Amino acid sequence: SQKIEQNSEALNIQEGKTATLTCNYTNYSPAYLQWYRQDPGRGPVFLLLIRENEKEKRKERLKVTFDTTLKQSLFHITASQPADSATYLCALDNSGTYKYIFGTGTRLKVLA
Amino acid sequence: EPEVTQTPSHQVTQMGQEVILRCVPISNHLYFYWYRQILGQKVEFLVSFYNNEISEKSEIFDDQFSVERPDGSNFTLKIRSTKLEDSAMYFCASSAPGDGPAFFGQGTRLTVV
Repeated sequence: SQKIEQNSEALNIQEGKTATLTCNYTNYSPAYLQWYRQDPGRGPVFLLLIRENEKEKRKERLKVTFDTTLKQSLFHITASQPADSATYLCALDNSGTYKYIFGTGTRLKVLA
Repeated sequence: EPEVTQTPSHQVTQMGQEVILRCVPISNHLYFYWYRQILGQKVEFLVSFYNNEISEKSEIFDDQFSVERPDGSNFTLKIRSTKLEDSAMYFCASSAPGDGPAFFGQGTRLTVV
Protein backbone atom coordinates (compact mmCIF):
# COMPACT_ATOMS: atom_id res chain seq x y z
CA SER A 1 0.00 0.00 0.00
CA GLN A 2 1.04 3.63 -0.43
CA LYS A 3 2.39 5.41 2.64
CA ILE A 4 4.05 8.69 3.55
CA GLU A 5 5.61 8.59 6.98
CA GLN A 6 6.96 11.40 9.10
CA ASN A 7 8.19 11.26 12.69
CA SER A 8 4.89 11.03 14.50
CA GLU A 9 6.31 12.12 17.82
CA ALA A 10 7.11 15.73 18.55
CA LEU A 11 10.71 16.86 18.14
CA ASN A 12 12.10 19.13 20.86
CA ILE A 13 15.42 20.86 20.28
CA GLN A 14 17.39 23.67 21.85
CA GLU A 15 17.51 27.07 20.20
CA GLY A 16 20.49 27.42 17.90
CA LYS A 17 20.69 23.71 17.06
CA THR A 18 19.84 22.11 13.71
CA ALA A 19 16.48 20.37 13.46
CA THR A 20 16.28 17.42 11.05
CA LEU A 21 12.89 16.09 10.01
CA THR A 22 12.33 12.94 7.95
CA CYS A 23 9.80 12.03 5.29
CA ASN A 24 9.76 8.46 3.98
CA TYR A 25 7.44 7.19 1.30
CA THR A 26 6.42 3.79 -0.05
CA ASN A 27 4.91 2.87 -3.42
CA TYR A 28 4.96 6.40 -4.82
CA SER A 29 6.99 7.72 -7.73
CA PRO A 30 7.00 11.44 -7.06
CA ALA A 31 8.19 13.88 -9.66
CA TYR A 32 8.78 16.33 -6.80
CA LEU A 33 8.32 16.72 -3.09
CA GLN A 34 7.25 19.76 -1.12
CA TRP A 35 7.68 20.86 2.47
CA TYR A 36 5.15 23.04 4.26
CA ARG A 37 4.83 24.65 7.65
CA GLN A 38 1.50 24.61 9.47
CA ASP A 39 0.62 26.59 12.58
CA PRO A 40 -2.43 25.63 14.69
CA GLY A 41 -5.69 26.59 12.99
CA ARG A 42 -3.92 27.90 9.90
CA GLY A 43 -3.38 26.69 6.36
CA PRO A 44 -0.13 25.04 5.24
CA VAL A 45 2.52 27.53 4.14
CA PHE A 46 4.83 26.47 1.31
CA LEU A 47 8.53 26.36 2.18
CA LEU A 48 10.53 24.40 -0.39
CA LEU A 49 10.03 22.16 -3.43
CA ILE A 50 12.62 19.66 -4.66
CA ARG A 51 12.43 17.75 -7.92
CA GLU A 52 13.30 14.09 -8.44
CA ASN A 53 16.49 14.98 -10.32
CA GLU A 54 17.70 17.32 -7.56
CA LYS A 55 19.67 16.10 -4.57
CA GLU A 56 19.53 19.20 -2.43
CA LYS A 57 17.78 22.57 -2.23
CA ARG A 58 18.47 25.48 0.11
CA LYS A 59 16.63 28.61 1.14
CA GLU A 60 18.08 30.77 3.89
CA ARG A 61 18.26 28.51 7.00
CA LEU A 62 16.33 25.69 5.33
CA LYS A 63 17.77 22.73 3.44
CA VAL A 64 15.98 19.81 1.82
CA THR A 65 17.48 16.63 0.42
CA PHE A 66 15.75 14.06 -1.74
CA ASP A 67 16.98 10.50 -2.19
CA THR A 68 14.76 8.61 -4.65
CA THR A 69 16.71 5.38 -4.04
CA LEU A 70 16.05 5.47 -0.30
CA LYS A 71 12.62 7.03 -0.94
CA GLN A 72 13.35 9.65 1.63
CA SER A 73 13.52 13.41 2.05
CA LEU A 74 15.25 15.18 4.92
CA PHE A 75 14.36 18.71 5.98
CA HIS A 76 16.87 20.71 8.00
CA ILE A 77 16.45 23.98 9.86
CA THR A 78 19.80 25.39 10.94
CA ALA A 79 20.25 27.86 13.82
CA SER A 80 16.71 27.07 14.93
CA GLN A 81 14.65 29.70 16.76
CA PRO A 82 11.55 29.45 18.97
CA ALA A 83 9.61 31.06 16.08
CA ASP A 84 10.36 27.92 14.03
CA SER A 85 8.08 25.92 16.36
CA ALA A 86 5.27 24.51 14.20
CA THR A 87 4.17 21.34 12.45
CA TYR A 88 6.11 20.55 9.28
CA LEU A 89 4.43 18.62 6.51
CA CYS A 90 5.87 16.87 3.51
CA ALA A 91 3.71 16.41 0.43
CA LEU A 92 4.33 14.61 -2.83
CA ASP A 93 2.63 14.05 -6.12
CA ASN A 94 2.47 10.64 -7.75
CA SER A 95 4.15 10.46 -11.15
CA GLY A 96 3.42 14.05 -12.04
CA THR A 97 -0.28 14.08 -11.21
CA TYR A 98 -1.87 17.18 -9.67
CA LYS A 99 -2.78 15.28 -6.54
CA TYR A 100 -0.49 16.19 -3.67
CA ILE A 101 -0.59 13.73 -0.80
CA PHE A 102 0.48 14.90 2.64
CA GLY A 103 2.28 13.10 5.40
CA THR A 104 0.99 13.28 8.96
CA GLY A 105 3.48 16.01 9.87
CA THR A 106 6.09 16.38 12.57
CA ARG A 107 5.56 18.86 15.40
CA LEU A 108 8.75 20.77 16.12
CA LYS A 109 9.29 22.69 19.32
CA VAL A 110 12.36 24.88 19.66
CA LEU A 111 13.19 25.58 23.28
CA ALA A 112 14.68 28.94 24.28
CA GLU B 1 2.15 39.16 -2.04
CA PRO B 2 -0.69 37.33 -3.82
CA GLU B 3 -2.65 34.94 -1.65
CA VAL B 4 -5.54 32.50 -1.75
CA THR B 5 -8.55 33.84 0.14
CA GLN B 6 -11.38 31.76 1.55
CA THR B 7 -14.79 32.71 2.87
CA PRO B 8 -16.32 32.30 5.34
CA SER B 9 -13.66 31.60 7.94
CA HIS B 10 -16.15 29.64 10.03
CA GLN B 11 -19.48 28.10 9.08
CA VAL B 12 -21.92 26.27 11.32
CA THR B 13 -24.64 24.28 9.60
CA GLN B 14 -27.35 21.81 10.48
CA MET B 15 -26.92 18.21 9.44
CA GLY B 16 -28.56 17.62 6.06
CA GLN B 17 -28.16 21.22 4.89
CA GLU B 18 -26.19 22.28 1.82
CA VAL B 19 -23.10 24.42 2.23
CA ILE B 20 -20.96 26.27 -0.27
CA LEU B 21 -17.39 27.15 0.59
CA ARG B 22 -15.79 29.87 -1.47
CA CYS B 23 -12.25 30.54 -2.57
CA VAL B 24 -10.47 33.12 -4.68
CA PRO B 25 -7.27 31.51 -6.01
CA ILE B 26 -4.15 33.45 -6.95
CA SER B 27 -4.95 35.26 -10.18
CA ASN B 28 -2.49 33.71 -12.65
CA HIS B 29 -2.86 30.18 -11.30
CA LEU B 30 -4.62 27.54 -13.35
CA TYR B 31 -4.79 24.54 -11.03
CA PHE B 32 -7.15 24.58 -8.07
CA TYR B 33 -7.57 22.19 -5.18
CA TRP B 34 -9.67 21.44 -2.14
CA TYR B 35 -8.26 19.67 0.88
CA ARG B 36 -9.72 18.97 4.27
CA GLN B 37 -8.25 18.43 7.72
CA ILE B 38 -10.25 16.84 10.49
CA LEU B 39 -9.11 18.12 13.88
CA GLY B 40 -5.86 16.46 14.90
CA GLN B 41 -5.51 14.53 11.65
CA LYS B 42 -3.57 14.98 8.47
CA VAL B 43 -4.36 17.18 5.48
CA GLU B 44 -6.38 15.07 3.04
CA PHE B 45 -6.71 15.62 -0.70
CA LEU B 46 -10.27 15.98 -2.01
CA VAL B 47 -10.09 17.19 -5.60
CA SER B 48 -8.00 19.02 -8.20
CA PHE B 49 -9.49 21.11 -10.99
CA TYR B 50 -8.03 22.37 -14.24
CA ASN B 51 -9.51 23.82 -17.39
CA ASN B 52 -13.02 23.72 -15.98
CA GLU B 53 -12.98 20.06 -15.12
CA ILE B 54 -11.91 17.73 -12.35
CA SER B 55 -8.38 16.36 -12.87
CA GLU B 56 -8.15 14.06 -9.86
CA LYS B 57 -10.40 13.23 -6.96
CA SER B 58 -10.10 11.08 -3.86
CA GLU B 59 -12.46 8.46 -2.54
CA ILE B 60 -13.66 11.06 -0.02
CA PHE B 61 -15.01 13.20 -2.87
CA ASP B 62 -18.25 11.32 -3.44
CA ASP B 63 -21.54 12.41 -5.00
CA GLN B 64 -22.25 14.71 -2.06
CA PHE B 65 -19.41 16.97 -3.15
CA SER B 66 -19.10 19.16 -6.22
CA VAL B 67 -16.78 21.92 -7.37
CA GLU B 68 -17.35 24.82 -9.68
CA ARG B 69 -15.56 27.81 -11.12
CA PRO B 70 -18.61 30.03 -11.65
CA ASP B 71 -16.64 33.00 -12.97
CA GLY B 72 -13.06 34.04 -13.66
CA SER B 73 -12.08 34.44 -10.04
CA ASN B 74 -14.05 32.18 -7.70
CA PHE B 75 -13.73 28.46 -7.02
CA THR B 76 -16.36 26.78 -4.87
CA LEU B 77 -16.88 23.53 -3.02
CA LYS B 78 -20.47 22.45 -2.44
CA ILE B 79 -21.51 19.78 0.02
CA ARG B 80 -25.08 18.81 -0.79
CA SER B 81 -26.30 17.22 2.41
CA THR B 82 -23.85 17.67 5.25
CA LYS B 83 -23.10 14.94 7.76
CA LEU B 84 -21.56 15.24 11.22
CA GLU B 85 -18.36 13.68 9.88
CA ASP B 86 -17.97 16.50 7.36
CA SER B 87 -16.93 18.77 10.24
CA ALA B 88 -13.36 19.79 9.43
CA MET B 89 -11.14 22.60 8.17
CA TYR B 90 -11.45 22.91 4.42
CA PHE B 91 -8.50 24.39 2.57
CA CYS B 92 -8.48 25.73 -0.95
CA ALA B 93 -5.17 25.87 -2.82
CA SER B 94 -3.93 26.89 -6.24
CA SER B 95 -0.80 26.42 -8.30
CA ALA B 96 0.71 27.90 -11.43
CA PRO B 97 1.13 25.93 -14.66
CA GLY B 98 3.98 23.43 -14.53
CA ASP B 99 5.31 21.65 -11.47
CA GLY B 100 5.03 24.52 -9.05
CA PRO B 101 3.98 24.33 -5.43
CA ALA B 102 0.42 24.65 -4.19
CA PHE B 103 -0.41 27.77 -2.18
CA PHE B 104 -3.07 27.40 0.47
CA GLY B 105 -5.73 29.67 1.90
CA GLN B 106 -6.36 30.04 5.61
CA GLY B 107 -9.25 27.63 5.54
CA THR B 108 -12.94 27.48 6.39
CA ARG B 109 -13.81 25.72 9.60
CA LEU B 110 -17.03 23.81 8.94
CA THR B 111 -19.00 22.62 11.95
CA VAL B 112 -21.99 20.37 11.31
CA VAL B 113 -24.40 20.12 14.23
